[in-house]
Amino acid sequence: QVQLEESGPGLVKPSQTLSLTCTVSGGSISGGAYYWSWIRQPAGKGLEWIGRISSSGGTEYNPSLKSRVTISIDASDNQFSLTLHSVTAADTAVYFCARDQDRNSGSFPYTNWFDPWGQGTLVTVSS
Amino acid sequence: SYVLTQPPSVSVAPGKTATITCGGDHIGGKSVHWYQQKPAQAPVLVIYCDSDRPSGIPERFSGSNSGNTATLTITSVAAGDEADYYCQVWDGDFDHVEFGGGTKLTVL
Repeated sequence: QVQLEESGPGLVKPSQTLSLTCTVSGGSISGGAYYWSWIRQPAGKGLEWIGRISSSGGTEYNPSLKSRVTISIDASDNQFSLTLHSVTAADTAVYFCARDQDRNSGSFPYTNWFDPWGQGTLVTVSS
Repeated sequence: SYVLTQPPSVSVAPGKTATITCGGDHIGGKSVHWYQQKPAQAPVLVIYCDSDRPSGIPERFSGSNSGNTATLTITSVAAGDEADYYCQVWDGDFDHVEFGGGTKLTVL
Protein backbone atom coordinates (compact mmCIF):
# COMPACT_ATOMS: atom_id res chain seq x y z
CA GLN A 1 0.00 0.00 0.00
CA VAL A 2 1.11 3.53 -0.71
CA GLN A 3 2.78 5.43 2.11
CA LEU A 4 3.93 9.05 2.22
CA GLU A 5 6.57 10.66 4.41
CA GLU A 6 7.40 14.35 4.75
CA SER A 7 10.92 15.61 5.38
CA GLY A 8 12.65 18.96 5.70
CA PRO A 9 13.84 21.58 8.18
CA GLY A 10 11.74 22.04 11.29
CA LEU A 11 12.79 25.67 11.76
CA VAL A 12 12.79 28.47 9.18
CA LYS A 13 13.62 32.13 9.74
CA PRO A 14 11.10 34.84 8.87
CA SER A 15 11.31 36.11 5.27
CA GLN A 16 13.18 32.99 4.21
CA THR A 17 12.01 30.00 2.16
CA LEU A 18 10.35 26.86 3.50
CA SER A 19 11.20 23.69 1.57
CA LEU A 20 9.69 20.26 2.20
CA THR A 21 9.82 16.95 0.37
CA CYS A 22 7.32 14.11 0.36
CA THR A 23 8.64 10.65 -0.44
CA VAL A 24 6.14 8.13 -1.79
CA SER A 25 6.68 4.42 -1.19
CA GLY A 26 4.69 1.33 -2.10
CA GLY A 27 3.72 2.70 -5.49
CA SER A 28 4.92 4.88 -8.33
CA ILE A 29 4.22 8.60 -8.17
CA SER A 30 3.78 8.41 -11.94
CA GLY A 31 1.40 5.47 -11.88
CA GLY A 32 -2.31 6.02 -11.95
CA ALA A 33 -4.28 9.19 -12.49
CA TYR A 34 -3.46 10.78 -9.16
CA TYR A 35 -2.55 14.22 -7.97
CA TRP A 36 -0.21 14.85 -5.04
CA SER A 37 -1.17 17.53 -2.53
CA TRP A 38 0.19 19.58 0.34
CA ILE A 39 -2.06 20.53 3.26
CA ARG A 40 -1.16 22.36 6.47
CA GLN A 41 -2.60 22.77 9.95
CA PRO A 42 -1.58 25.45 12.47
CA ALA A 43 -1.58 24.26 16.05
CA GLY A 44 -5.11 23.91 17.38
CA LYS A 45 -6.65 24.99 14.09
CA GLY A 46 -8.20 23.46 11.00
CA LEU A 47 -6.86 22.14 7.71
CA GLU A 48 -5.76 24.39 4.84
CA TRP A 49 -5.07 23.03 1.34
CA ILE A 50 -1.91 24.53 -0.15
CA GLY A 51 -1.86 23.05 -3.62
CA ARG A 52 -1.28 20.01 -5.77
CA ILE A 53 0.64 18.61 -8.70
CA SER A 54 -0.28 15.95 -11.24
CA SER A 55 2.06 13.17 -12.28
CA SER A 56 2.61 15.08 -15.52
CA GLY A 57 3.61 18.24 -13.65
CA GLY A 58 0.44 20.33 -13.86
CA THR A 59 -0.18 22.44 -10.73
CA GLU A 60 -3.07 24.11 -8.93
CA TYR A 61 -2.70 26.31 -5.87
CA ASN A 62 -4.82 27.82 -3.14
CA PRO A 63 -5.46 31.38 -4.33
CA SER A 64 -4.54 32.72 -0.88
CA LEU A 65 -1.01 31.27 -1.17
CA LYS A 66 -0.49 31.16 -4.92
CA SER A 67 1.95 34.07 -5.09
CA ARG A 68 4.37 32.36 -2.66
CA VAL A 69 4.02 28.63 -3.47
CA THR A 70 5.69 26.26 -5.88
CA ILE A 71 5.07 22.50 -5.98
CA SER A 72 7.30 20.29 -8.09
CA ILE A 73 7.65 16.59 -8.80
CA ASP A 74 10.64 14.28 -9.22
CA ALA A 75 9.41 11.01 -10.66
CA SER A 76 12.88 9.46 -10.68
CA ASP A 77 13.06 9.74 -6.89
CA ASN A 78 9.32 9.17 -6.36
CA GLN A 79 9.08 12.50 -4.56
CA PHE A 80 7.25 15.78 -4.75
CA SER A 81 8.20 19.01 -3.06
CA LEU A 82 6.80 22.20 -1.59
CA THR A 83 8.49 25.58 -1.65
CA LEU A 84 6.94 28.51 0.23
CA HIS A 85 8.66 31.88 -0.06
CA SER A 86 8.77 34.87 2.29
CA VAL A 87 7.47 32.99 5.31
CA THR A 88 6.12 34.63 8.45
CA ALA A 89 5.03 33.31 11.82
CA ALA A 90 1.59 32.71 10.31
CA ASP A 91 3.14 29.91 8.23
CA THR A 92 4.02 27.93 11.36
CA ALA A 93 2.08 24.70 11.08
CA VAL A 94 2.17 20.95 10.67
CA TYR A 95 2.56 20.27 6.96
CA PHE A 96 1.02 17.12 5.49
CA CYS A 97 1.44 15.57 2.07
CA ALA A 98 -1.31 13.38 0.67
CA ARG A 99 -2.32 11.44 -2.40
CA ASP A 100 -5.11 13.32 -4.13
CA GLN A 101 -7.65 11.23 -6.01
CA ASP A 102 -10.23 12.85 -8.22
CA ARG A 103 -13.41 11.91 -10.01
CA ASN A 104 -13.97 13.60 -13.33
CA SER A 105 -17.19 12.16 -14.70
CA GLY A 106 -19.78 13.81 -16.88
CA SER A 107 -22.51 12.49 -14.62
CA PHE A 108 -21.19 14.15 -11.45
CA PRO A 109 -19.52 17.42 -10.55
CA TYR A 110 -15.74 17.31 -10.41
CA THR A 111 -14.40 16.38 -7.01
CA ASN A 112 -11.28 15.18 -5.21
CA TRP A 113 -10.30 13.62 -1.90
CA PHE A 114 -7.13 12.77 0.05
CA ASP A 115 -6.04 9.24 0.89
CA PRO A 116 -3.58 8.35 2.31
CA TRP A 117 -1.79 11.13 4.19
CA GLY A 118 1.75 11.39 5.49
CA GLN A 119 2.23 11.64 9.24
CA GLY A 120 2.99 15.36 9.01
CA THR A 121 5.99 17.48 9.89
CA LEU A 122 6.05 20.55 12.11
CA VAL A 123 7.61 23.67 10.63
CA THR A 124 8.18 26.61 12.94
CA VAL A 125 8.93 30.07 11.55
CA SER A 126 11.02 31.94 14.09
CA SER A 127 14.25 33.89 14.31
CA SER B 1 -14.67 31.27 -1.76
CA TYR B 2 -17.03 28.49 -0.77
CA VAL B 3 -17.72 28.33 2.97
CA LEU B 4 -18.31 25.07 4.86
CA THR B 5 -19.82 25.39 8.34
CA GLN B 6 -19.45 22.70 11.00
CA PRO B 7 -20.49 22.80 14.66
CA PRO B 8 -17.38 23.19 16.83
CA SER B 9 -18.36 20.30 19.06
CA VAL B 10 -20.70 17.34 19.35
CA SER B 11 -21.11 15.14 22.43
CA VAL B 12 -22.62 11.68 22.53
CA ALA B 13 -22.92 8.85 25.03
CA PRO B 14 -21.24 5.53 24.28
CA GLY B 15 -23.39 3.24 22.18
CA LYS B 16 -25.49 6.10 20.84
CA THR B 17 -25.50 7.73 17.41
CA ALA B 18 -23.43 10.82 16.59
CA THR B 19 -24.48 13.19 13.83
CA ILE B 20 -22.02 15.77 12.50
CA THR B 21 -23.21 18.31 9.97
CA CYS B 22 -21.44 20.31 7.28
CA GLY B 23 -23.37 23.24 5.87
CA GLY B 24 -22.79 25.00 2.58
CA ASP B 25 -24.72 26.81 -0.11
CA HIS B 26 -26.32 24.11 -2.28
CA ILE B 27 -23.78 21.61 -0.96
CA GLY B 28 -26.06 18.83 -2.21
CA GLY B 29 -24.76 19.69 -5.68
CA LYS B 30 -21.21 18.90 -4.65
CA SER B 31 -19.49 15.74 -3.46
CA VAL B 32 -18.48 15.81 0.21
CA HIS B 33 -15.67 13.90 1.86
CA TRP B 34 -15.06 13.34 5.59
CA TYR B 35 -11.86 12.86 7.59
CA GLN B 36 -11.23 11.70 11.15
CA GLN B 37 -8.23 13.16 12.97
CA LYS B 38 -7.14 11.91 16.37
CA PRO B 39 -4.72 13.94 18.51
CA ALA B 40 -1.19 14.18 17.08
CA GLN B 41 -2.15 12.03 14.09
CA ALA B 42 -2.75 12.66 10.42
CA PRO B 43 -6.32 12.79 9.15
CA VAL B 44 -7.87 9.57 7.88
CA LEU B 45 -10.50 9.42 5.14
CA VAL B 46 -13.70 7.87 6.52
CA ILE B 47 -16.28 8.81 3.85
CA TYR B 48 -15.77 9.94 0.24
CA CYS B 49 -18.21 11.05 -2.44
CA ASP B 50 -20.96 11.73 0.11
CA SER B 51 -21.53 8.15 1.26
CA ASP B 52 -18.80 5.74 0.12
CA ARG B 53 -16.60 4.08 2.73
CA PRO B 54 -12.93 3.31 2.06
CA SER B 55 -11.85 -0.22 2.78
CA GLY B 56 -11.16 -0.76 6.47
CA ILE B 57 -13.67 1.85 7.68
CA PRO B 58 -16.44 0.28 9.79
CA GLU B 59 -20.01 0.23 8.53
CA ARG B 60 -20.88 2.31 11.59
CA PHE B 61 -19.68 5.32 9.57
CA SER B 62 -22.09 6.63 6.95
CA GLY B 63 -22.72 9.84 5.08
CA SER B 64 -25.46 11.71 3.27
CA ASN B 65 -25.75 14.98 1.39
CA SER B 66 -28.77 16.98 0.31
CA GLY B 67 -29.84 20.59 0.00
CA ASN B 68 -27.59 22.79 2.10
CA THR B 69 -26.34 20.13 4.53
CA ALA B 70 -24.07 17.10 4.39
CA THR B 71 -24.09 14.73 7.35
CA LEU B 72 -21.67 12.22 8.83
CA THR B 73 -23.38 9.64 11.02
CA ILE B 74 -21.57 7.34 13.42
CA THR B 75 -23.67 4.62 15.06
CA SER B 76 -22.81 2.68 18.22
CA VAL B 77 -20.22 5.30 19.14
CA ALA B 78 -17.24 4.08 21.13
CA ALA B 79 -14.45 5.87 22.99
CA GLY B 80 -12.12 5.22 20.05
CA ASP B 81 -14.29 7.42 17.82
CA GLU B 82 -13.39 10.51 19.86
CA ALA B 83 -11.62 12.78 17.38
CA ASP B 84 -11.91 15.87 15.21
CA TYR B 85 -13.93 15.41 12.03
CA TYR B 86 -13.53 17.57 8.91
CA CYS B 87 -15.65 17.82 5.79
CA GLN B 88 -14.10 18.75 2.44
CA VAL B 89 -15.27 19.73 -1.03
CA TRP B 90 -13.80 20.92 -4.30
CA ASP B 91 -14.77 24.53 -5.02
CA GLY B 92 -15.31 24.48 -8.76
CA ASP B 93 -15.76 28.26 -8.96
CA PHE B 94 -12.17 28.88 -7.85
CA ASP B 95 -10.64 25.47 -8.60
CA HIS B 96 -9.44 24.71 -5.14
CA VAL B 97 -10.14 22.64 -2.04
CA GLU B 98 -12.18 23.82 0.93
CA PHE B 99 -12.28 22.22 4.36
CA GLY B 100 -14.85 22.79 7.05
CA GLY B 101 -13.62 24.18 10.34
CA GLY B 102 -13.83 20.80 12.04
CA THR B 103 -16.04 19.27 14.73
CA LYS B 104 -14.67 17.81 17.94
CA LEU B 105 -16.57 14.65 18.83
CA THR B 106 -16.59 13.91 22.55
CA VAL B 107 -17.74 10.53 23.84
CA LEU B 108 -19.23 11.12 27.27
